[in-house]
Amino acid sequence: AQSVTQPDIHITVSEGASLELRCNYSYGATPYLFWYVQSPGQGLQLLLKYFSGDTLVQGIKGFEAEFKRSQSSFNLRKPSVHWSDAAEYFCAVGPGNTGFQKLVFGTGTRLLVSP
Amino acid sequence: KAGVTQTPRYLIKTRGQQVTLSCSPISGHRSVSWYQQTPGQGLQFLFEYFSETQRNKGNFPGRFSGRQFSNSRSEMNVSTLELGDSALYLCASNLSGRPANTGELFFGEGSRLTVL
Repeated sequence: AQSVTQPDIHITVSEGASLELRCNYSYGATPYLFWYVQSPGQGLQLLLKYFSGDTLVQGIKGFEAEFKRSQSSFNLRKPSVHWSDAAEYFCAVGPGNTGFQKLVFGTGTRLLVSP
Repeated sequence: KAGVTQTPRYLIKTRGQQVTLSCSPISGHRSVSWYQQTPGQGLQFLFEYFSETQRNKGNFPGRFSGRQFSNSRSEMNVSTLELGDSALYLCASNLSGRPANTGELFFGEGSRLTVL
């Protein structure tokens, strides 16, 4: 069965510091991987996605993620965090080329940014 | 271009009642999926509709149902509400139902249901 693990429930980072959010997945085939962000009271916004090709993918708002098949990981990174990045971040895995939209989400990591 | 619109944004019901939530996808998007978000269970897939047909269904009881209309708008219904149904219900649309090709799901802001 597909599953996504985000081991950190909360992370606090100082503004300007670097950030790495961890994501591990379990999937039987080549995964389609996503990172979404959710601000309070809002829906989810896609930050970036990995389908194939270059394992380092760039997203919006200065985020990037690296797919490591050997570690079943897809960690999200940002070199310098801004206060507006405080939100909840979700990693998700999808079924690939089936055409179905069933994504399996991790439990999320809440990012707090300290001044 | 208008985003995904969900109505109502907030609602309060009592146990045993039923509720209908509405979702208008982005213009041109034919696929609509629904997710339930709770603090305890996180984000869980409910079902997906494409061209008025349910293509995939999550592991929820039959009290949860949905439909899609010819204009791609979708509704979900929960009957005989239980306290545990309190959640944020998120709708997402996609151009063709193939996120691999179209890049992403576009989420609405959700309908927050409170069951008393």
